[in-house]
Amino acid sequence: KNQVEQSPQSLIILEGKNCTLQCNYTVSPFSNLRWYKQDTGRGPVSLTIMTFSENTKSNGRYTATLDADTKQSSLHITASQLSDSASYICVVKAGTASKLTFGTGTRLQVTL
Amino acid sequence: ETGVTQTPRHLVMGMTNKKSLKCEQHLGHNAMYWYKQSAKKPLELMFVYNFKEQTENNSVPSRFSPECPNSSHLFLHLHTLQPEDSALYLCASSQDSSGGAHNEQFFGPGTRLTVL
Repeated sequence: KNQVEQSPQSLIILEGKNCTLQCNYTVSPFSNLRWYKQDTGRGPVSLTIMTFSENTKSNGRYTATLDADTKQSSLHITASQLSDSASYICVVKAGTASKLTFGTGTRLQVTL
Repeated sequence: ETGVTQTPRHLVMGMTNKKSLKCEQHLGHNAMYWYKQSAKKPLELMFVYNFKEQTENNSVPSRFSPECPNSSHLFLHLHTLQPEDSALYLCASSQDSSGGAHNEQFFGPGTRLTVL
């Protein structure tokens, strides 16, 4: 069964600090992995997409990594800002199938 | 804004009511999706439409009835819902439903539904 697990479930950090969110998946065969940011009361917005051959990809202060061998991905946020407070959802697509497998998300709160 | 709009943003309804959720995309996409998002649970895919044809019904109860009159509009008709149907309902669109690496799904802001 295809599954995506994220940790931690929630996280509180001080503004300016860095943090790393984890995503482990059992989706097979792997096609791609996306990280989405979902602000409260909004729909998810894609931050980055990782394909099998990519190990690292950055989008501003967001850096995603992918280890296809261990089936793990991480999202590192540098110099956090209050606006980073949101849920971060890891989504994995299998092979040629159109269906996506969603994680439950990590709820990040950045405080002063 | 993502180019996908949803109305209403909030809806409270009784179990005997009939209501409809509306989604519109301005991106020229051919695939549209309905998802259910409940607290502490992953997004659940409900329906997929590709070029106005329903290609997936993820074992959704018949009290949820989708309608896709054209590639830009998607409706979700609701009747005799249960309190456990209370959730955030998200609409999304993509170029088509093939799910390729660059076939990103763009989400609307969602409708927060409360069933009393």
